[in-house]
Amino acid sequence: DQQVKQNSPSLSVQEGRISILNCDYTNSMFDYFLWYKKYPAEGPTFLISISSIKDKNEDGRFTVFLNKSAKHLSLHIVPSQPGDSAVYFCAASIGGSNYKLTFGKGTLLTVNP
Amino acid sequence: DTAVSQTPKYLVTQMGNDKSIKCEQNLGHDTMYWYKQDSKKFLKIMFSYNNKELIINETVPNRFSPKSPDKAHLNLHINSLELGDSAVYFCASSQDRRATHTFGSGTRLTVV
Repeated sequence: DQQVKQNSPSLSVQEGRISILNCDYTNSMFDYFLWYKKYPAEGPTFLISISSIKDKNEDGRFTVFLNKSAKHLSLHIVPSQPGDSAVYFCAASIGGSNYKLTFGKGTLLTVNP
Repeated sequence: DTAVSQTPKYLVTQMGNDKSIKCEQNLGHDTMYWYKQDSKKFLKIMFSYNNKELIINETVPNRFSPKSPDKAHLNLHINSLELGDSAVYFCASSQDRRATHTFGSGTRLTVV
């Protein structure tokens, strides 16, 4: 039962363009969402998060948008850089408690020079 | 100085063996976790510990036994290893239940 879905296993973009990574969720109890980035042979690292009371959160080149009615969130990276090439995981939790994060399968982003 | 360190990084073992994976964090965090990333790439929570006490046990077979001797360590012992246990196991820690996780680099377990 996939409660957090990342339906695109991979995405390829040109350097300087926008990367948009999508995530859908089914559990309406989720109220806190996170994006993690993972390089090969390393653990995931936290990128950005958003609470369900907001619909947008921005941090430098990274912006996360949340559409609660559609149970959809997206991560925008502008401009994309080759160093952004990694697997991006969407994760969600309930009640702001990260004791139990539910992750998606990840999307491999490749940024071509 | 690695924040969350796991050993070993790679582990190849035969079915039926017992093995342990060690995890240590030097961040002073109160909460530690074990996650499993299986062949389908899902990253799933196995256990959460807060101040050495078990908070979350996500219906993991009882062949898996976490042990937290102190706040900085959370080891994972696996008895009677099975082929399906092959996966990458990630340890993580966080300051509290609202904080983001800091992950270790993972232990790739292969059961043959």
